[in-house]
Amino acid sequence: RKEVEQDPGPFNVPEGATVAFNCTYSNSASQSFFWYRQDCRKEPKLLMSVYSSGNEDGRFTAQLNRASQYISLLIRDSKLSDSATYLCVVFSGGYQKVTFGTGTKLQVIP
Amino acid sequence: GAVVSQHPSRVICKSGTSVKIECRSLDFQATTMFWYRQFPKQSLMLMATSNEGSKATYEQGVEKDKFLINHASLTLSTLTVTSAHPEDSSFYICSAIDRELEKLFFGSGTQLSVL
Repeated sequence: RKEVEQDPGPFNVPEGATVAFNCTYSNSASQSFFWYRQDCRKEPKLLMSVYSSGNEDGRFTAQLNRASQYISLLIRDSKLSDSATYLCVVFSGGYQKVTFGTGTKLQVIP
Repeated sequence: GAVVSQHPSRVICKSGTSVKIECRSLDFQATTMFWYRQFPKQSLMLMATSNEGSKATYEQGVEKDKFLINHASLTLSTLTVTSAHPEDSSFYICSAIDRELEKLFFGSGTQLSVL
């Protein structure tokens, strides 16, 4: 089993739709969790950190469920510009280890 | 602005030559940096973890003699692709952890093309 797993997609959704991604992790001692966004041929960029209490940034909401060992990302009112690959990133081992999911590809369609 | 600087952004070289890629943390000290490779339409693949002042830890299947990593200071790690071949052509990205901010920042990547 991979340490961090994501559905690779692609998720093809119409503009204005709400879409949700999940990411599961196997190491219960993992410390910090993030969602990154990667556009084609570019470096990943931090989208948001993920906390147990949940956090929201505009149309984006992230949530951590430690009991079930997964994190989620919800995107409301999808825009064409949201089309990208969304990477789940997990820190563990005192920030010595960073593990990525394979990424979930989102394509927002006009 | 960028907090991790990676150079060069693009390299085209002949088969058999060596290429050095630099990764610098600009606003923080990075005891740990990571090097990745990404082939078209594939996910990021961790190649190695670079620790300042010690040997890098390579992932399984990554040849340490081919991909030389040096992390001689708290702000600089280098990756040298030795005797590059066309199959080494890829997008190479570095990243570093800002422990104070508890965040991971990426360099802008280097597109390597070996002819």
